Amino acid sequence: DAMVIQNPRYQVTQFGKPVTLSCSQTLNHNVMYWYQQKSSQAPKLLFHYYDKDFNNEADTPDNFQSRRPNTSFCFLDIRSPGLGDAAMYLCATSRTSGGHRSTDTQYFGPGTRLTVL
Amino acid sequence: AQSVSQHNHHVILSEAASLELGCNYSYGGTVNLFWYVQYPGQHLQLLLKYFSGDPLVKGIKGFEAEFIKSKFSFNLRKPSVQWSDTAEYFCAVIRTGANNLFFGTGTRLTVIP
Repeated sequence: DAMVIQNPRYQVTQFGKPVTLSCSQTLNHNVMYWYQQKSSQAPKLLFHYYDKDFNNEADTPDNFQSRRPNTSFCFLDIRSPGLGDAAMYLCATSRTSGGHRSTDTQYFGPGTRLTVL
Repeated sequence: AQSVSQHNHHVILSEAASLELGCNYSYGGTVNLFWYVQYPGQHLQLLLKYFSGDPLVKGIKGFEAEFIKSKFSFNLRKPSVQWSDTAEYFCAVIRTGANNLFFGTGTRLTVIP
């Protein structure tokens, strides 16, 4: 009964070689997030989708893109991975509550650990 | 800028000891507060949350946390820890109406049997 699923759990890529990480959810939540977590650091929000609206954090590098083809799926594309992009990438989902843009608890997937050679 | 501080990076306790993990945040407006736990090899799971109402909130597995607005704190407590509580604990804060969840750097708890 997994709720937020991330594939693959481990991804190895080469410097500069594009890579795509995927996330799917069975919760029917309308908000999906991508976080980056480097070793011994706090998770850091890269961007999120509020329904189909894409919201990029100001300091997210252009190298990172995202797609959300439908409610259940969201992808993280790293166009030209550098050594500094090696990290755990966490997907999370939540739903809005109260009829406005406030969101409820975020539910996290297991993460994809990205290694860049 | 909004930030979350967890002052204890690594805490080591014996079973049955009491636990208190500190969390302070820097934001003057209305916030929602969370504690997440990450057991070894597993994903982040919600322990408890505070949105409004009683500032003392109870979560799963005997954990509780107290929101003290005047101190900008949301400390996590458990009266008697177990070996199975060994994990990483993250405090997180979100400004009401926003979507960006700010995490602390985490506290690693090791419970010795």
